[in-house]
Amino acid sequence: GAVVSQHPSWVICKSGTSVKIECRSLDFQATTMFWYRQFPKQSLMLMATSNEGSKATYEQGVEKDKFLINHASLTLSTLTVTSAHPEDSSFYICSARDLTSGTNTGELFFGEGSRLTVL
Amino acid sequence: AQSVAQPEDQVNVAEGNPLTVKCTYSVSGNPYLFWYVQYPNRGLQFLLKYITGDNLVKGSYGFEAEFNKSQTSFHLKKPSALVSDSALYFCVPRAAGNKLTFGGGTRVLVKP
Repeated sequence: GAVVSQHPSWVICKSGTSVKIECRSLDFQATTMFWYRQFPKQSLMLMATSNEGSKATYEQGVEKDKFLINHASLTLSTLTVTSAHPEDSSFYICSARDLTSGTNTGELFFGEGSRLTVL
Repeated sequence: AQSVAQPEDQVNVAEGNPLTVKCTYSVSGNPYLFWYVQYPNRGLQFLLKYITGDNLVKGSYGFEAEFNKSQTSFHLKKPSALVSDSALYFCVPRAAGNKLTFGGGTRVLVKP
């Protein structure tokens, strides 16, 4: 299957700093990528839909100024957690769809996740 | 609207025994259903999907699922579980715009 790569896989930062997480589709192009957040022992919560060349669409309750998303190319989306605080500590996962799999039937491929710890 | 229910938070099974993870769905229109697995501290891996066609879908790692329209179910099965199958399993409906909305999932624990 298609491969989605996330970097970094884990990051520790000080409160007040910003952290950027990259999501890359390695062997396919993705006009749309999705960012999820997962708390310990809980399900995935969709944060936003990242659209190549346009603004991201955020889910209700997600602060767009807090979680900046940029989808500059068909293979790269970035999530920047700005002015991070301890409550932002979480497991962030991105996913993407292979364009060649069709509009409505292609499965989503997920990155390995990025664990953010804010001290 | 699309939704699924996984009635069991956790399933315990002995290695070598059959494994079943239950899922019932409620969708409008044609259901697009997916099973994903998440190993500890990892991303999600695609197991299988039902879009149309044969009700019995075979997927990765020896898993299969049967789409049952009359019972609105899409249970995941494996004839002989392995310890390495211990993970978190998600049954997921595909909504418009390719969004996947996750429920709580079912944690599978396979004991040696």
